[in-house]
Amino acid sequence: QSALTQPRSLSGSPGQSVAISCTGTSSDVGGYSYVSWYQQHPGKAPKLMIYDVDKRPSGVPDRFFGSKSGSTASLTISGLQAEDEADYYCFSYAGTYTWVFGGGTKLTVL
Amino acid sequence: QVQLQESGPGLVKPSQTLSLTCTVSGDSISSGSYYWNWIRQPAGKGLEWIGRLYTSESKAYNPSLNSRVTMSVDTSKSQVFLKLNSVTAADTAVYYCARALVGSGSMPLEYWGQGTLVTVSS
Repeated sequence: QSALTQPRSLSGSPGQSVAISCTGTSSDVGGYSYVSWYQQHPGKAPKLMIYDVDKRPSGVPDRFFGSKSGSTASLTISGLQAEDEADYYCFSYAGTYTWVFGGGTKLTVL
Repeated sequence: QVQLQESGPGLVKPSQTLSLTCTVSGDSISSGSYYWNWIRQPAGKGLEWIGRLYTSESKAYNPSLNSRVTMSVDTSKSQVFLKLNSVTAADTAVYYCARALVGSGSMPLEYWGQGTLVTVSS
């Protein structure tokens, strides 16, 4: 079971949109619509932002949008704000009652 | 408000067993509506899913850790436990417990503890 592939870092200016990719295989991301995304600020526990590919928990701004195509899931953040600067992790079902995280992406708001 | 609190020794010697407790408050641990997970994060690195417990009879572990991991639950104390044996320095990490709602294949981890740092060193 290998970690899902995410870009190590991304950046964007306030107000812009950024998309964070999460690439797996047909055994995980590509095989199921069971991808979630987490935001983690330094020294804090992760926070659920998206689940089931594109569902937002209550309280998560609609600036956060999830999608999936084939074996790649994406988290798009529009109208980038300073508080969006954080690490982001995808998390996918990988079959046989196992789950796997992506390697994480550090998002910098310029 | 649901709260999860991890606790346990902050220092474990190599080859010994790491034992952690997650104490849950604010909701029933035995409602059958939740999965209880352990996740870890080495300093400066990414998250790693360790395993999931639904009931004492229904557990799933990361294949890479499967032979060393045991999760259990004491519903009377609202506690979930993690044991990881034969630890090495590579097991040094912040360990989190997290709750997921049953019913979604994503197993969305809605509530997390604040994490506890475990260092493996002699």
